[in-house]
Amino acid sequence: QKEVEQNSGPLSVPEGAIASLNCTYSDRGSQSFFWYRQYSGKSPELIMFIYSNGDKEDGRFTAQLNKASQYVSLLIRDSQPSDSATYLCAARYSSASKIIFGSGTRLSIRP
Amino acid sequence: EPEVTQTPSHQVTQMGQEVILRCVPISNHLYFYWYRQILGQKVEFLVSFYNNEISEKSEIFDDQFSVERPDGSNFTLKIRSTKLEDSAMYFCASSEPPGGLNTEAFFGQGTRLTVV
Repeated sequence: QKEVEQNSGPLSVPEGAIASLNCTYSDRGSQSFFWYRQYSGKSPELIMFIYSNGDKEDGRFTAQLNKASQYVSLLIRDSQPSDSATYLCAARYSSASKIIFGSGTRLSIRP
Repeated sequence: EPEVTQTPSHQVTQMGQEVILRCVPISNHLYFYWYRQILGQKVEFLVSFYNNEISEKSEIFDDQFSVERPDGSNFTLKIRSTKLEDSAMYFCASSEPPGGLNTEAFFGQGTRLTVV
């Protein structure tokens, strides 16, 4: 059974600080990993994907992957109130297979 | 920007009735998916579809569910006899032909199904 695990939160971070979101996955064969943002009642919106060990940066977002530890993280720098949402970590076994989602971490940025 | 379109945005149906949820995937995409999210719970995979057949399905996707691509643009999810526990947000997604590990799935805005 392929699983993706996240702390449900809520994670409260002051505006302007770094928010750190973490995720682990059970299937060592998972190849690519995604971070989605989901506002209440809305669909998941892709923020970043990563498939190589190390860091990947895009603007204020940095995704980190450690395949040996089966660990994925997302850092959000200079957090804004608009970043308040649920962040979904997801894993995919191959480029055509289903995406498996974690239960999400609720992030709250306090002004 | 191309997007996945779902209709209706909200569907209310009586228990035992059949519902059809509709999706128009992005035009050059070949892989199609249905997911659902019960309120307050995780996004769950239902089924994937490629080359006019189901390529993978979850335990949730039992005989009450079916999918179809009736023409070149629509992708539908049918629930034959709805139950109260089918109430959820249903998301359609599509992705390009596998071009590498960064092939992402694009999600539609969802259909909120309420079974009463």
